[in-house]
Amino acid sequence: SAVISQKPSRDICQRGTSLTIQCQVDSQVTMMFWYRQQPGQSLTLIATANQGSEATYESGFVIDKFPISRPNLTFSTLTVSNMSPEDSSIYLCSVKGQGSTGELFFGEGSRLTVL
Amino acid sequence: GNSVTQMEGPVTLSEEAFLTINCTYTATGYPSLFWYVQYPGEGLQLLLKATKADDKGSNKGFEATYRKETTSFHLEKGSVQVSDSAVYFCALERSNYKLTFGKGTLLTVNP
Repeated sequence: SAVISQKPSRDICQRGTSLTIQCQVDSQVTMMFWYRQQPGQSLTLIATANQGSEATYESGFVIDKFPISRPNLTFSTLTVSNMSPEDSSIYLCSVKGQGSTGELFFGEGSRLTVL
Repeated sequence: GNSVTQMEGPVTLSEEAFLTINCTYTATGYPSLFWYVQYPGEGLQLLLKATKADDKGSNKGFEATYRKETTSFHLEKGSVQVSDSAVYFCALERSNYKLTFGKGTLLTVNP
């Protein structure tokens, strides 16, 4: 299994500001992902965080808005830039576990409210 | 494209009642299917999965069968407990561990 810690767990932000969310895993993992869950919606994949290289973004998400870093195999950050109220969501970090089953593990999420 | 349609909630049941949460999907090919559960104050956890048609995933008394002919993966439990109160997400794997989720179904079980 993998234990994932996300910070902050929640925050209230002002329009136009940026916020960085941290994801720390208790073991080295090959694959890390960032998801977004908007109010009343399903989880949507934002990007795959690649260690040592640029993240791979899904359709509809761009690096300028959601820059991602992954300096090593246990840590990643997601920044939500120039926030607007539409960015109010829960942001979740997810990692692929070790072993053949490849189960995905999720952090508890970071709930952002943009005023 | 790939999509997952999940039964709208919330669902409220009494303890020991039978549970069904419907899930249907649209996908190219035959993706792996999952049910994840999120208990209050916790992260999503894998509940069960099925990787091919007619597979049955099971865990903690919950079951779901991969039905290719109806493109469904309904979650069932014969007798729910208060501790099963949570949000349940149906999901399919597009590729390389990337998941497409349904909107989630809130289940509340009353004693």
